[in-house]
Amino acid sequence: AQSVTQPDIHITVSEGASLELRCNYSYGATPYLFWYVQSPGQGLQLLLKYFSGDTLVQGIKGFEAEFKRSQSSFNLRKPSVHWSDAAEYFCAVGAITGYGGSQGNLIFGKGTKLSVKP
Amino acid sequence: DGGITQSPKYLFRKEGQNVTLSCEQNLNHDAMYWYRQDPGQGLRLIYYSQIVNDFQKGDIAEGYSVSREKKESFPLTVTSAQKNPTAFYLCAVRGTGGSTEAFFGQGTRLTVV
Repeated sequence: AQSVTQPDIHITVSEGASLELRCNYSYGATPYLFWYVQSPGQGLQLLLKYFSGDTLVQGIKGFEAEFKRSQSSFNLRKPSVHWSDAAEYFCAVGAITGYGGSQGNLIFGKGTKLSVKP
Repeated sequence: DGGITQSPKYLFRKEGQNVTLSCEQNLNHDAMYWYRQDPGQGLRLIYYSQIVNDFQKGDIAEGYSVSREKKESFPLTVTSAQKNPTAFYLCAVRGTGGSTEAFFGQGTRLTVV
């Protein structure tokens, strides 16, 4: 079965400290992987995505993620956290969309809530 | 202004009522999705549509209905059969034929009163 696991429900880091959010997936084919961020009461904003090629991908707001096929992981990192990074982060996996083929639905993890201490 | 518009932002429903959540997009994408979000549960798929006049049930379709009469619009009706409708509802769109991400609306908070 296809699934995404985010092992950490809530993480607290100090401002300026480094951050790593974990994501593990189970998927039958080559996955397309995404990280989204959500502020309270808002929609989801894409941070970065991986489809193929270089396994280290850069995103917005100074975030990066590394795809490790052997570990079925796609962990999100940031070298120095800012107070404005406090939000909930979602990892997602999906297939290419296309009528008659894959439903194209993204499967989401349950999220990791990030708190930042001053 | 391009993007996805969900309305209303807040919605209150009385017991036994049907309510309809609006989702409109001008991104010209074919695939549209409705997700339900509850605290600690992540996003769960309610319905999706990859083309006009066609839609499919997701994982938690019971008590919900949709229509897709226009490419731009994918309204979700929460019926009285949905026993626990209080949640945050998110609409998303995604392009087809390529490796594209999903774009999300700002959500509708539905509360049963």
